Amino acid sequence: AQSVTQPDIHITVSEGASLELRCNYSYGATPYLFWYVQSPGQGLQLLLKYFSGDTLVQGIKGFEAEFKRSQSSFNLRKPSVHWSDAAEYFCAVVTGNQFYFGTGTSLTVIP
Amino acid sequence: NAGVTQTPKFRILKIGQSMTLQCTQDMNHNYMYWYRQDPGMGLKLIYYSVGAGITDKGEVPNGYNVSRSTTEDFPLRLELAAPSQTSVYFCASSTTGASGNTIYFGEGSWLTVV
Repeated sequence: AQSVTQPDIHITVSEGASLELRCNYSYGATPYLFWYVQSPGQGLQLLLKYFSGDTLVQGIKGFEAEFKRSQSSFNLRKPSVHWSDAAEYFCAVVTGNQFYFGTGTSLTVIP
Repeated sequence: NAGVTQTPKFRILKIGQSMTLQCTQDMNHNYMYWYRQDPGMGLKLIYYSVGAGITDKGEVPNGYNVSRSTTEDFPLRLELAAPSQTSVYFCASSTTGASGNTIYFGEGSWLTVV
């Protein structure tokens, strides 16, 4: 069965510090992978996606993610976090007609 | 650029009442989905549809019904509301299927059952 694990429920970083959010997936074939961000009271916005090709993908708002097949991971990174990045982040894997989401990582940014 | 539109945004229901969450998309997407989001649980798929007239169950379909009479609309019905259905509901759509495509979300509907 397909699954997505986000090991970190909550992360706190200082503004300007680097960020890495972890995502591990379980899927037999080459997965389609996504990162979404959800601001409080809002819907989900696509940050970036990986379908094939270059394993380092660039997204909006300065985010990037790297697909590592050997580790079944698709971690999200940002070199310098801004206060506006405080939100909930969801990793998702797609198979067939369905998206499977992780449980999310809540990011707090402190001044 | 309307995208995926859900109504209502907020609703309080009494136990046993029924209601319909409306969802419409103007992107001519074939695939539509309903998710619920509970704290610490991520998003769980309730129902999905691959096109007008076709619907299928997701992970947590009990207590819900859907219909897909048109490409644009995918309403979610709660027949006998229960406290366990207190949640945030998201409608979403994608083009020709989830694989290789992006899913677009509505802004959510906050439902409380008391």
